Amino acid sequence: NAGVTQTPKFQVLKTGQSMTLQCAQDMNHEYMSWYRQDPGMGLRLIHYSVGAGITDQGEVPNGYNVSRSTTEDFPLRLLSAAPSQTSVYFCASSYSPGRGASEKLFFGSGTQLSVL
Amino acid sequence: DAKTTQPNSMESNEEEPVHLPCNHSTISGTDYIHWYRQLPSQGPEYVIHGLTSNVNNRMASLAIAEDRKSSTLILHRATLRDAAVYYCILGGRNSGNTPLVFGKGTRLSVIA
Repeated sequence: NAGVTQTPKFQVLKTGQSMTLQCAQDMNHEYMSWYRQDPGMGLRLIHYSVGAGITDQGEVPNGYNVSRSTTEDFPLRLLSAAPSQTSVYFCASSYSPGRGASEKLFFGSGTQLSVL
Repeated sequence: DAKTTQPNSMESNEEEPVHLPCNHSTISGTDYIHWYRQLPSQGPEYVIHGLTSNVNNRMASLAIAEDRKSSTLILHRATLRDAAVYYCILGGRNSGNTPLVFGKGTRLSVIA
């Protein structure tokens, strides 16, 4: 069981370039989300989705775009990369929002992104 | 989500118990208390959660104060592999679909 898979693990971009961070889960989870983590900081929510075709913004959505065409995949697009987007990005999934009983969040191993 | 307060860092000797505190004085009656941990260079992983009663699982125990304004994550015998950042998070159904909010957590160091 692969769980939550993120690709690539590392990426270097130049300012202004665009790219897509991939996230896939094989647990049939309805709920998926993207977080970013800067050094010494907690995780900040970028975007999330409660099911195919439904997405919503988190705390720090500017500069990022998402779509959810299937239950399994939730890609994160950087439209025009900026040095401020240098961070570690984590994708997470769960059967439902991570609240209450038996609603654990499962995280991928992260993508380290550097924007020069 | 209601706010939690955790110490920035703690240190423990290997094979000794560790008590990680969390204050959440504004917790509401329907808020669950969740704990996650993040090992170096990995994504966070679920540890334990509870509502009112103390909880035990294979990883840890969660002790919840009677007034629910604080809780303690207990690692019964710390190992070097337990060195991580531990996050205490409140999740309430009243907040709808909004995901859990992760603070800075407590960085636990384990000394051999």
